[in-house]
Amino acid sequence: DQQVKQNSPSLSVQEGRISILNCDYTNSMFDYFLWYKKYPAEGPTFLISISSIKDKNEDGRFTVFLNKSAKHLSLHIVPSQPGDSAVYFCAARRLSGGTSYGKLTFGQGTILTVHP
Amino acid sequence: GAGVSQSPSNKVTEKGKDVELRCDPISGHTALYWYRQSLGQGLEFLIYFQGNSAPDKSGLPSDRFSAERTGGSVSTLTIQRTQQEDSAVYLCASSLTVQVSETQYFGPGTRLLVL
Repeated sequence: DQQVKQNSPSLSVQEGRISILNCDYTNSMFDYFLWYKKYPAEGPTFLISISSIKDKNEDGRFTVFLNKSAKHLSLHIVPSQPGDSAVYFCAARRLSGGTSYGKLTFGQGTILTVHP
Repeated sequence: GAGVSQSPSNKVTEKGKDVELRCDPISGHTALYWYRQSLGQGLEFLIYFQGNSAPDKSGLPSDRFSAERTGGSVSTLTIQRTQQEDSAVYLCASSLTVQVSETQYFGPGTRLLVL
């Protein structure tokens, strides 16, 4: 079963506009969420994270929003740049407890294309 | 400093053969993780090591898969009697510790193709 879902396989945005990438999760035990960016032939690189005690975290052009009641998070990129074109993965983990709390559970990814 | 490195970068093998994939984590990182990404799928957790603790093997898909970490550093993922469904990109990551605040840094991956 897919515990973390990114329902949009791709997103196309004009340079300078806002990119909004969405992610839903089903496991209520998740309490820490991350976004990773991946370029072709490279490993994923960490972008931004948010703890479940917050509803927003901002880092430069990147903001992550968390709606715990809806089990939904989103990544906003403003303004979008052509260099942001990559695959974006949402991931979730547990803060504590159990033997598997170190692992990340990933969504399927969303391909973002930012056009000049 | 050097990041996570993996070898080989690409591996083509015949069904039924065994393969070994290697991961060199960032120096000083005590936690090491293996994930795989099949075509069109997200990253799937396989196994992680934390210091001298017993590894969490809960993500290994079958007993054909095994991994070890020697000396708390280099790790090898072994797939015995490979099947076509094992074709994927195998990614290794490391972090300073397994604590949630520690970022997992990924290597470039090994692309495995089983014919």
